[in-house]
Amino acid sequence: HLQLQESGPGLVKPSETLSLTCTISGGSISISSYYWGWIRQPPGKGLEWIASIYYIGYTHYNSSLTSRVTISVDTSENQFSLKLNSVTAADTAVYYCARHGDHGDFGKIDYWGRGTLVTVSS
Amino acid sequence: SSELTQDPAVSVALGQTVRITCQGDSLRSYYVSWYQQKPGQAPLLVIYDKNNRPSGIPDRFSGSSSGNTASLTITGAQAEDEADYYCNSRDSSPNVIFGGGTKVTVL
Repeated sequence: HLQLQESGPGLVKPSETLSLTCTISGGSISISSYYWGWIRQPPGKGLEWIASIYYIGYTHYNSSLTSRVTISVDTSENQFSLKLNSVTAADTAVYYCARHGDHGDFGKIDYWGRGTLVTVSS
Repeated sequence: SSELTQDPAVSVALGQTVRITCQGDSLRSYYVSWYQQKPGQAPLLVIYDKNNRPSGIPDRFSGSSSGNTASLTITGAQAEDEADYYCNSRDSSPNVIFGGGTKVTVL
């Protein structure tokens, strides 16, 4: 049974870099036809896709965040990571890692992590 | 447009049927998925590729799509169906896109 688990600091200071890692268990990150992505949800608000990566390194970014975001993959550790720089209070959110499909199923998210709350505050 | 539009809230009497809609130009070209999210939990995929249910999702959940509009129908709503529901799809870039969510209240 595939499981995803987010890890990283729960508190980040304004202007600093938010760094999160997603560890996959019960399956391999090096699987064809699936992307691995990050989605966030500010408190009381809706879902926002941030970025996604394929195990061989293909990446896609939300155009509204692309200047501040880097997504990377470490197949040896079965992990992928997110870096979001120059954070502000508006970046406070629950951050989810997830698996989604490719091509016509690019929007289909079939596995989610439990989410981790990241607060941006001094 | 890469936006998906949902009604903010809808209510349904216990045991009755409720339909949640999602509109967007991307739906003319790409499949829609639907997610249920309860407070404090991650979203759960309930419908994908317009009208397919993952294993374990009750058959009272069904989906449909025509043109730029997709719908999620709960037939015989139960108290445990009270939740936020999000539609999502992709656009041509590709980006993953979400609707704003619909809060379903079971009366």
